[in-house]
Amino acid sequence: DVKVTQSSRYLVKRTGEKVFLECVQDMDHENMFWYRQDPGLGLRLIYFSYDVKMKEKGDIPEGYSVSREKKERFSLILESASTNQTSMYLCASSLSLGAEDEQYFGPGTRLTVT
Amino acid sequence: QQPVQSPQAVILREGEDAVINCSSSKALYSVHWYRQKHGEAPVFLMILLKGGEQKGHEKISASFNEKKQQSSLYLTASQLSYSGTYFCGTSAGGTSYGKLTFGQGTILTVHP
Repeated sequence: DVKVTQSSRYLVKRTGEKVFLECVQDMDHENMFWYRQDPGLGLRLIYFSYDVKMKEKGDIPEGYSVSREKKERFSLILESASTNQTSMYLCASSLSLGAEDEQYFGPGTRLTVT
Repeated sequence: QQPVQSPQAVILREGEDAVINCSSSKALYSVHWYRQKHGEAPVFLMILLKGGEQKGHEKISASFNEKKQQSSLYLTASQLSYSGTYFCGTSAGGTSYGKLTFGQGTILTVHP
């Protein structure tokens, strides 16, 4: 079974701090994704990566950056956390470059910025 | 533009049926369906592709109307385990690299 793990289930940070969220998948998937989930808004794509060192902006990239130095690891970075970035963050991966493969999600990180 | 799901919420008794709809304003290549139970990660249910191909769980059925850019998920003879939030994710294909745009979710509650 594919396993997607995220570094923390819960995280509390202060406004202005730099925050790193880590995601690791163990099945050699090409694609990796970062979403944020807010009540009533569903899952919104922040960034995705289709290869090592390759990244594409999603629908809400402002205030975020990403890094993919190794195929199995995809990091989300909040350069200067703000209270409006309090949310649930979900990482996902999929096998190939197309839209024919399902996405496998990690358990999520609930980030609170105070 | 996020796809629009309807209804926003539905309450059923065990054994009843439900239909969840997903509508997009853009031409679609694929529609994905996922279910998320409270406090858990979303889990894959089904993919429907332009041209009629489908893959997913045998007990789940869905349709994809390419002309209307709509998909429907059919939950028949519901069980307590069907409770959760259902999301559709849509892809325009092409160079989108598997990128999905998700709807806002439909909350399904099944009571005994």
